[in-house]
Amino acid sequence: QVQLQESGPGLVNPSQTLSLTCTVSGGSISSGSYYWSWIRQPAGKGLEWIGRIYTSGSTNYNPSLESRVTMSADTSRNQFSLKLSSVTAADTAVYYCARSFDSSGYFPIDNWGQGTLVTVSS
Amino acid sequence: ETLMTQSPATLSVSPGERATLSCRASQSVSSNVAWYQQKPGQAPRLLIYGASTRATGIPARFSGSGSGTEFTLTISSLQSEDFAVYYCQQYNNWPPYIFGQGTKLEI
Repeated sequence: QVQLQESGPGLVNPSQTLSLTCTVSGGSISSGSYYWSWIRQPAGKGLEWIGRIYTSGSTNYNPSLESRVTMSADTSRNQFSLKLSSVTAADTAVYYCARSFDSSGYFPIDNWGQGTLVTVSS
Repeated sequence: ETLMTQSPATLSVSPGERATLSCRASQSVSSNVAWYQQKPGQAPRLLIYGASTRATGIPARFSGSGSGTEFTLTISSLQSEDFAVYYCQQYNNWPPYIFGQGTKLEI
C-alpha cells in the first residue's frame, strides 16, 4: 500500500518561496504509470490542483499558478517536491501530495497524503 | 477550463435514507469524473472513478452514474459515517483538473 507524507515549513514569510516535499513509501515514484501531484485547500474552502509530475519527470502546472510553481522529483530518495514563489496570504492552505493512477489513459487520484498546513505570514 | 458545479451546496438527510448528489460539467468530460469524500481534518478519499466504478474497499451503497456533462453520486442508505463533504472532479480536460465546490451532507 503506497503512503505519501508531506513535510516542510509550516510558516512562510510573504514574498518568499514555499517549499514542500512529499516522501513516498510502499512504491517507487519512477516506476509504473502514475502522476504525482500537489493540491491545496484553504481553510473552509474547496480543492485546487497545483500541478503534477509524471514518472518520466515531465510536469504540468495549473495555468493560474504556473508562473510561480516548480515541481521536481528525487528518485534516489523517492520524493517529489513543490516550490511556490512570491507567496502571499492567499497561498495559506493545507497542501496535499497525491498519486494518480492510469485508468484507461486518464488519471484519477487514488492516494493522498495527510496534508500539511502552510501559513503565509510575517 | 472545464468547470464543475455541484448541487446542492448542503443536503440534509436522515440516517437510513437515500442521498443524491449532482455534478454538472461546463463541457463534456466523457466519463472521466471522480467522487471524493472528505471528513473534517482528513484528506479526501476516492469513492468513485470513471463516473461509476467504485474504488477499492468502497461499500456498495455508494454508486455513481452519468456521462458527458451530468453526473450523480447516490448513497442508498446513509450510515452515520457517511456525513461529510463530497467533491466531484473531472480529469478529462487538462489543464487543470477542476474540483467542484463540494456538497456538505449533514444529518
